[in-house]
Amino acid sequence: QSALTQPASVSGSPGQSITISCTGTSSDVGSYNLVSWYQQHPGKAPKLMIYDDIKRPSGISNRFSGSKSGNTASLTISGLQAEDEADFYCCAYVGSVTVFGGGTKLTVL
Amino acid sequence: QVQLQESGPGLVKASQTLSLTCTVSGGSVNSGYYYWTWIRQPAGKGLEWIGRFFTSGSTNYNPSLKSRVSISVDTSKNQFSLKLNSVTAADTAVYFCARDAAVAGTPWFDPWGQGILVTVSS
Repeated sequence: QSALTQPASVSGSPGQSITISCTGTSSDVGSYNLVSWYQQHPGKAPKLMIYDDIKRPSGISNRFSGSKSGNTASLTISGLQAEDEADFYCCAYVGSVTVFGGGTKLTVL
Repeated sequence: QVQLQESGPGLVKASQTLSLTCTVSGGSVNSGYYYWTWIRQPAGKGLEWIGRFFTSGSTNYNPSLKSRVSISVDTSKNQFSLKLNSVTAADTAVYFCARDAAVAGTPWFDPWGQGILVTVSS
């Protein structure tokens, strides 16, 4: 079980918005440890979607946004599209170790 | 544009050593701005950070694997490598190499290699 907790699954209909949470503690996510987010389609390598909690790499749609409140970081996807269906992982330092969340499967209904 | 490509045996016998190489193109493993990292993913499961190498020669490893793992760099070939010894079936996974910008203070991985499946046989 990961030190960063994500919901196992979330779902939404095309056009809707969904949010995936990543909960840590006041010692990691809730402190100065910033979070990154990755999207992974089946059989593919993960793809960086958000880094430093809120920054979007070049080429990533502005439908993807990151935020943080207290010990929880969040990834929001607005205007859901069929191609958004994938697994999503958060990542941060926990202590001195790089840790990934357990992953969230996004289903677009 | 930096690209990474994993290579190595897809089948390793139990108790032996898993050895993989990541070839970097479009950038240098000598860069002082990045760590060079290995991450793995068992079938149907999540991502697990294995460890990383910095150009200064420093390394960091996942405590759960630390006693069995080593990561090194060959600057002449612009490659970095993973060795995991005494493997068991639990080490069967897709292994990814990635560039980590954590030198700036926080880990984020981009780009990634396509991944290589390594199966440990008994």
